[in-house]
Amino acid sequence: DTAVSQTPKYLVTQMGNDKSIKCEQNLGHDTMYWYKQDSKKFLKIMFSYNNKELIINETVPNRFSPKSPDKAHLNLHINSLELGDSAVYFCASSQVWRGVDTEAFFGQGTRLTVV
Amino acid sequence: ELKVEQNPLFLSMQEGKNYTIYCNYSTTSDRLYWYRQDPGKSLESLFVLLSNGAVKQEGRLMASLDTKARLSTLHITAAVHDLSATYFCAGVYNTDKLIFGTGTRLQVFP
Repeated sequence: DTAVSQTPKYLVTQMGNDKSIKCEQNLGHDTMYWYKQDSKKFLKIMFSYNNKELIINETVPNRFSPKSPDKAHLNLHINSLELGDSAVYFCASSQVWRGVDTEAFFGQGTRLTVV
Repeated sequence: ELKVEQNPLFLSMQEGKNYTIYCNYSTTSDRLYWYRQDPGKSLESLFVLLSNGAVKQEGRLMASLDTKARLSTLHITAAVHDLSATYFCAGVYNTDKLIFGTGTRLQVFP
């Protein structure tokens, strides 16, 4: 069973469109994340959700909105897509609990190409 | 805010040689992680380092942590081609914010 799964794996879309990426984890973790990896492979945290509450909101445009219907899911919705949004987006989850140190487990990534 | 820097950014090494990747971080981090990423793939956890002086080894890779120097190292012993990948270190800020280093792209050639 895949621990953290994202869909779709590839997404090609035109500028100005709205798209969503879905993420689900079956590890029972209480924290989920979205990361953006650019063409130079830099990984930057975008959002973090803990038990369905947003606890980190990095300086990303408000065109990006995370939505968490429950603690096993964290979807990323992007409005009015721009060329600069092209990147690989990774979902991850971890158990954040003092005294329990688990690493983050990553999904396979969604390669978004805006044309 | 935690900043994490790695060096070198690129590393081309011959099979059988040894080398070390360095990871410096700017402020206190609860723990330090090392990840591996193959081209076009996801990130795979390699090591979790929890305390000062921690050392972990898996095959030809050994990771260590010096919290006083705010430094972690990933040592490669007798490199083989299968180790070719990008290696990331990551520190933890504010308990749960995982901040990644710039990555080190390792290429091992015969």
